[in-house]
Amino acid sequence: DTAVSQTPKYLVTQMGNDKSIKCEQNLGHDTMYWYKQDSKKFLKIMFSYNNKELIINETVPNRFSPKSPDKAHLNLHINSLELGDSAVYFCASSLLGTGNYNEQFFGPGTRLTVL
Amino acid sequence: AQSVTQLDSHVSVSEGTPVLLRCNYSSSYSPSLFWYVQHPNKGLQLLLKYTSAATLVKGINGFEAEFKKSETSFHLTKPSAHMSDAAEYFCVVSPGSSNTGKLIFGQGTTLQVKP
Repeated sequence: DTAVSQTPKYLVTQMGNDKSIKCEQNLGHDTMYWYKQDSKKFLKIMFSYNNKELIINETVPNRFSPKSPDKAHLNLHINSLELGDSAVYFCASSLLGTGNYNEQFFGPGTRLTVL
Repeated sequence: AQSVTQLDSHVSVSEGTPVLLRCNYSSSYSPSLFWYVQHPNKGLQLLLKYTSAATLVKGINGFEAEFKKSETSFHLTKPSAHMSDAAEYFCVVSPGSSNTGKLIFGQGTTLQVKP
C-alpha cells in the first residue's frame, strides 16, 4: 500500500564516505523529486526527474548525483559526505502536465547524520 | 519571483479553540497553493489545495483555507483545535508559470496545542 517509499530511514556515516538513498513510488506518477530539510525544518527542492529526464537541478554541490533508472525510481548518491549534509532528505512524486496543479506525494524521509 | 511567507514561526492554542496559521504569497502568475502538515518524525501530508476553483478550500481533519487574491493570502484555519493537530505546517506555492512541478515552501509554522 505504500505510495512513496524510501530506504534507508536512518543513515549514520562518517565524513568522506559515499552513500546512496533509494526512492520508489507505485502511484504511476511521471515525475519524482528530492528535497532537503535542514535543522530549521526548511524544505528546499534539489532535483526533479520527469520520465527519467532531469528537469530541475537547483544549486546543489556536484557531490550529489541523482539517478532515475525508470519512472518509478529515483535514487540519490552522495560522494565525500560533509557535516553540512546532515539533514532529512525527502523523496516525492507527482503527475506533471496537469496544468499548474501539482500535488506531490512525499515519502517518509531519510535522516542522514554525518559524523 | 515567487515566494511564500508564513507570518508566524510558532503558534500556541488551547485544545478546542480556533486555529489560524497565516500565509502570504508572491507570484507573477496565477499560482496553485497548498498546505502540507508534517507530524514529528513523519513525512509531509497534503491538507488542502487551491487550484483556481473555489476560493474557500476545505481539507482534511476539519481544516480550511481561503484564497484572497487582493491580499495575496492563503491563511489556514480550523474552528476547534485537537491535540493531534500539533505538528509543523507548511504553506506551499506552485508557480503558475512552472512546467517543472517546482514547489516553493514557506518556512513552516509549528502548531502547539495545549490541553
